[in-house]
Amino acid sequence: KAGVTQTPRYLIKTRGQQVTLSCSPISGHRSVSWYQQTPGQGLQFLFEYFSETQRNKGNFPGRFSGRQFSNSRSEMNVSTLELGDSALYLCASSSVPSGYNEQFFGPGTRLTVL
Amino acid sequence: SQQGEEDPQALSIQEGENATMNCSYKTSINNLQWYRQNSGRGLVHLILIRSNEREKHSGRLRVTLDTSKKSSSLLITASRAADTASYFCATDVGPGTASKLTFGTGTRLQVTL
Repeated sequence: KAGVTQTPRYLIKTRGQQVTLSCSPISGHRSVSWYQQTPGQGLQFLFEYFSETQRNKGNFPGRFSGRQFSNSRSEMNVSTLELGDSALYLCASSSVPSGYNEQFFGPGTRLTVL
Repeated sequence: SQQGEEDPQALSIQEGENATMNCSYKTSINNLQWYRQNSGRGLVHLILIRSNEREKHSGRLRVTLDTSKKSSSLLITASRAADTASYFCATDVGPGTASKLTFGTGTRLQVTL
């Protein structure tokens, strides 16, 4: 089985722009979770989608949004980028809602905001 | 804020030695998981222990869970240079539909030859 894929792997944007990141889960997995990882805040949960519905959301401003398509692929969008949004964005998939079982992580998208 | 705190923050040992990392958390959990991350890459799942379990083994890994103390430990025996990575505990908090994984702050393990 192919693993979780994330595109793009690296991204450089400037403040005020918006960005869309993509995640393709492992085939058959219906849950996709997104995390932001920074040196200062560590790994923080953004949101989770399960069968196209947002199941859970972390404490991030409304500039961070996401969606899931019928094929379970997910996208997250960050609008009006700020310098503090520079981070590694990780997505993870699982066959059941997150927390119940192990999650499989993608390699991440490294976002740099200048 | 972080649910879990790993201790120590950094650990340096020689190949062949054992490495022990500890995780403390704040609220009741359904399960606790350990993950490994190699230098800025994605995380790899190591082991999951449920709240009604006290100990679990997987190869060179041994995990214990003490729900009364809200703590867990990860022991890596006979460490190898390839074990050099950051290790995170993650707890499943929240009932039913609110269940989600919350990660700790991580322990950076350096295994030298």
